[in-house]
Amino acid sequence: DARVTQTPRDKVTEMGQEVTMRCQPILGHNTVFWYRQTMMQGLELLAYFRNRAPLDDSGMPKDRFSAEMPDATLATLKIQPSEPRDSAVYFCASGLGGLTGELFFGEGSRLTVL
Amino acid sequence: RKEVEQDPGPFNVPEGATVAFNCTYSNSASQSFFWYRQDCRKEPKLLMSVYSSGNEDGRFTAQLNRASQYISLLIRDSKLSDSATYLCVVPRGGSQGNLIFGKGTKLSVKP
Repeated sequence: DARVTQTPRDKVTEMGQEVTMRCQPILGHNTVFWYRQTMMQGLELLAYFRNRAPLDDSGMPKDRFSAEMPDATLATLKIQPSEPRDSAVYFCASGLGGLTGELFFGEGSRLTVL
Repeated sequence: RKEVEQDPGPFNVPEGATVAFNCTYSNSASQSFFWYRQDCRKEPKLLMSVYSSGNEDGRFTAQLNRASQYISLLIRDSKLSDSATYLCVVPRGGSQGNLIFGKGTKLSVKP
């Protein structure tokens, strides 16, 4: 059963530390998304890739966040330095684009920055 | 108007009730819309797609009103297992790949 895999599932770190989250999209999917979810803001789009090319990262704080797809099987989201306000659940999702609108989400990475 | 706006609820209903949620959107160029379901501490999953005036799948009916720019989700004969948060989803700028999620409407079905 194909699924999006995210690591780590849970991460507790101290302010100022670097955090890297990884995602393995479903094989054959050409779109990859990073979302951040908090109670206050809901699901916020951070970055969007199509065929590994970044198409939209307007929702991502550029000074501390970076997103990359070094190859088709790996997407990374890095926060450096992390701050307490970055505490959230980070979801990676992949899809085929087009009209279906179906995104397949990973189980999320719960980040707590102390 | 926000890109996607939903009543956060919670909607507390008894089993067997019919419940409806609305969602308004700002981009009049959007052609397709989606409802996702998110269980507590889980990832969102696609529930229904809405491409024209509406879509029906068992107890669930989604309807689209383009003139007023809102979509609705109707759940009939609600079950305890329907308790979840329902997210309204709209493509940003007409792009089918880039989806914007509403903050969700929380539904709690009670025995």
